[in-house]
Amino acid sequence: KAGVTQTPRYLIKTRGQQVTLSCSPISGHRSVSWYQQTPGQGLQFLFEYFSETQRNKGNFPGRFSGRQFSNSRSEMNVSTLELGDSALYLCASSLDGTGYPIGGYTFGSGTRLTVV
Amino acid sequence: DQQVKQNSPSLSVQEGRISILNCDYTNSMFDYFLWYKKYPAEGPTFLISISSIKDKNEDGRFTVFLNKSAKHLSLHIVPSQPGDSAVYFCAASGLNTGNQFYFGTGTSLTVIP
Repeated sequence: KAGVTQTPRYLIKTRGQQVTLSCSPISGHRSVSWYQQTPGQGLQFLFEYFSETQRNKGNFPGRFSGRQFSNSRSEMNVSTLELGDSALYLCASSLDGTGYPIGGYTFGSGTRLTVV
Repeated sequence: DQQVKQNSPSLSVQEGRISILNCDYTNSMFDYFLWYKKYPAEGPTFLISISSIKDKNEDGRFTVFLNKSAKHLSLHIVPSQPGDSAVYFCAASGLNTGNQFYFGTGTSLTVIP
């Protein structure tokens, strides 16, 4: 089956602009989580969506938002971009968000965002 | 608040020897732990997991040990191979974390041929 697809793979934006990233989960998966990876910070949790509802949110400013559509595809939006938003943004899908069954939490390849 | 910590940013090991990657956590309610491996320009891929009802789980060359009293887990790779060179993340979740996985900062493993 197809894996988790994230588009675009690379983005370069100017400070102050906004950006939208897309994540298509594995077919049948209803949970999509978003993470930000920066050097030295590991994977920082942004938010998790399940059945079009945000269930959990990490400690990020309101400039970071997301949504999920009825087909479970998810988008993440960052407004008023700052230089510090440059990072690899990863999404992960799972059946229900718990990561069960074992190994059922699957990541996409990520979107590399560079803010200049 | 880093609830999952990987205190060694990097580790170098000779091919054929054992690699030991360590992970500590602070939340005693964590009951499910995962290890992921990440190559450059790729997303993390699942490696091995362990639940709190066990203290050891093996899968081929990979073994994860869990010490609940010390809130510590470790990943052993024996024997290490050059293809194991990657960044390894541990992650944890539990009943009181909702559906959020907490990840460590990663350990970059280099296996020297």
